[in-house]
Amino acid sequence: GQNIDQPTEMTATEGAIVQINCTYQTSGFNGLFWYQQHAGEAPTFLSYNVLDGLEEKGRFSSFLSRSKGYSYLLLKELQMKDSASYLCAVRDGDYKLSFGAGTTVTVRA
Amino acid sequence: GAVVSQHPSRVICKSGTSVKIECRSLDFQATTMFWYRQFPKQSLMLMATSNEGSKATYEQGVEKDKFLINHASLTLSTLTVTSAHPEDSSFYICSASPGGELEAFFGQGTRLTVV
Repeated sequence: GQNIDQPTEMTATEGAIVQINCTYQTSGFNGLFWYQQHAGEAPTFLSYNVLDGLEEKGRFSSFLSRSKGYSYLLLKELQMKDSASYLCAVRDGDYKLSFGAGTTVTVRA
Repeated sequence: GAVVSQHPSRVICKSGTSVKIECRSLDFQATTMFWYRQFPKQSLMLMATSNEGSKATYEQGVEKDKFLINHASLTLSTLTVTSAHPEDSSFYICSASPGGELEAFFGQGTRLTVV
């Protein structure tokens, strides 16, 4: 099976930066994804990494180190609407997508 | 971007009845779709992989006779929860990918409540 770990909760102030770490152990690797999920809704795609390095997309950036089995999602200039659950997901050798438990980010004014 | 449509978004059924949930890829063909279940404040748990034209592949612990999956075309997969019980109440989500390195897109999810 897959083992994907991320912190349960994080709190930050509006305008600040928050980094959500994710470590994983999977059988085969075909990419790491970050999704945002608001309560009661389906996840929405944020970022995708398959090669080592940093991918930047507006206020959101994601980093991957395959040798370390490690990724992070960086949220900059936090806004209240960024309060949500952030899911780290890894696609394995069979192209199945497995999810971490999710990190609930709370943005405070 | 690619769109995946899931229907219904909410359903309430009586214990012992069956419920069918549809998942459609609207603007791409998907030979493979995935079905997830999510309990409150928990992450998505993969239930099964739906393969067009062949049998679904179920994850360990998921009863294939209870959760029937049919993937009859390249744009439609259905999940039928048979003889539903209150413990089957959950948020069910499907996903599909246009293939290759592209990301998976999710349906809107179905909130099933069994009373």
